[in-house]
Amino acid sequence: GAGVSQTPSNKVTEKGKYVELRCDPISGHTALYWYRQSLGQGPEFLIYFQGTGAADDSGLPNDRFFAVRPEGSVSTLKIQRTERGDSAVYLCASSPRTDYGLFFGQGTRLTVV
Amino acid sequence: QKEVEQNSGPLSVPEGAIASLNCTYSDRVSQSFFWYRQYSGKSPELIMSIYSNGDKEDGRFTAQLNKASQYVSLLIRDSQPSDSATYLCAAVNSNSGYALNFGKGTSLLVTP
Repeated sequence: GAGVSQTPSNKVTEKGKYVELRCDPISGHTALYWYRQSLGQGPEFLIYFQGTGAADDSGLPNDRFFAVRPEGSVSTLKIQRTERGDSAVYLCASSPRTDYGLFFGQGTRLTVV
Repeated sequence: QKEVEQNSGPLSVPEGAIASLNCTYSDRVSQSFFWYRQYSGKSPELIMSIYSNGDKEDGRFTAQLNKASQYVSLLIRDSQPSDSATYLCAAVNSNSGYALNFGKGTSLLVTP
């Protein structure tokens, strides 16, 4: 596709449930990032993939969060035992190289009730 | 001090005026800087990058980098109501070399 694609656009889940958020990056972009944005804040770094491996997961808040990119393209962010504080917009971005700037998808708005 | 800091605004300018958006940064970020525009309910859109001291112009937008004073600015000439958005300043984290640190953003309102 022409841009970064994220699904679903919106997700409402009950506290304690498991959710998966999907990201399909721009074709050919080897770098993939997940960010989280809360209202009134800038995006907050979660995890970075270069190819298939998670090169840096230092931004993941705790061990309930996990992300994979098994074939070096599509990535899935997984959140276990969701909490109300996890409610935010989860943004995926890709880039052709690390100093080029990031291209964001439209985001997934996660609401935990 | 946070890595990247911005005044949250709102900054209000009349249509046709120059809007000036500013950002300061700490030593914890490197010398690659980006400006993103984010409309309400939408995702950030990359509009400018700047790596060297001085000015970089692209259409109505000019990015300015002053390494000595550790600030980056974005000038929007002939501001239009459609420029009303939140503008996010971002810089590459020095430790990682790839993750971007974002400011909170400055809300710009261009009034007709």
